[in-house]
Amino acid sequence: DAGVTQSPTHLIKTRGQQVTLRCSPKSGHDTVSWYQQALGQGPQFIFQYYEEEERQRGNFPDRFSGHQFPNYSSELNVNALLLGDSALYLCASSLREFDTEAFFGQGTRLTVV
Amino acid sequence: GQQVMQIPQYQHVQEGEDFTTYCNSSTTLSNIQWYKQRPGGHPVFLIQLVKSGEVKKQKRLTFQFGEAKKNSSLHITATQTTDVGTYFCAAGGNNAGNMLTFGGGTRLMVKP
Repeated sequence: DAGVTQSPTHLIKTRGQQVTLRCSPKSGHDTVSWYQQALGQGPQFIFQYYEEEERQRGNFPDRFSGHQFPNYSSELNVNALLLGDSALYLCASSLREFDTEAFFGQGTRLTVV
Repeated sequence: GQQVMQIPQYQHVQEGEDFTTYCNSSTTLSNIQWYKQRPGGHPVFLIQLVKSGEVKKQKRLTFQFGEAKKNSSLHITATQTTDVGTYFCAAGGNNAGNMLTFGGGTRLMVKP
C-alpha cells in the first residue's frame, strides 16, 4: 500500500517562471491538502481539494492554484515565482469522512533563484 | 484567523533527561494533533486529542489536552537520541476536511 507520493523531489526555478507540483494520495483517501513549509517554520495551509473542488483556502495569493483529478491525485501550480516562494511543499491526504490524521508525502523542495 | 503558539522553539537535553513542549491557542480548539518531523523528513502523525482534559500515552510520550481546549502539551520521559526532531502541534479545523493550523514547532536535540 503506497503512501502519499510527490514529484518531483527537488526543483530549481527562476523568478517569474511557473511551476507544477504533483501529488498522489494514500490509497483510499479522497482529500488532498497542500502546505508550504519555509525553513525552520511550521507548515502553512495553502488549500484543500475534495471532489475535484477547492474546499478551503489559506492566506495565499491567487498565484497559487490547484487541481484535483477524478483519481484523487492533485497538482499545485504557482505562477510568477518569487524568491520568497522557495520552500518545502508538502501534500497531505486524508479521508474526509473522518477528521483524523493527515498523511504527508516527502515533499517537493522548491528553490527559486 | 486561528493562531497556534508553541514553546520553546529549541530544546537541548542530555540523553535520559525529560522534555516538554507546550502549545497554546487564543481560541477553543475542536481537536489538536501532534506530529514529528525528523531532520530532512516530513511530518509524521503521532496522536490526536479531542476531549477536554484528555491524556494519552504512547510508551515514553504523554500528551495532554487542556480543560478549556486551548492548550496542549507533549512530554517525553527519558529522552533517547531517536527522539531527535521537530515536534509540531496542529489545530484541527472545525469543519470536515482536517485543515490543520500548525504551531512553529519545538526542535529537540539530544546529546548522547
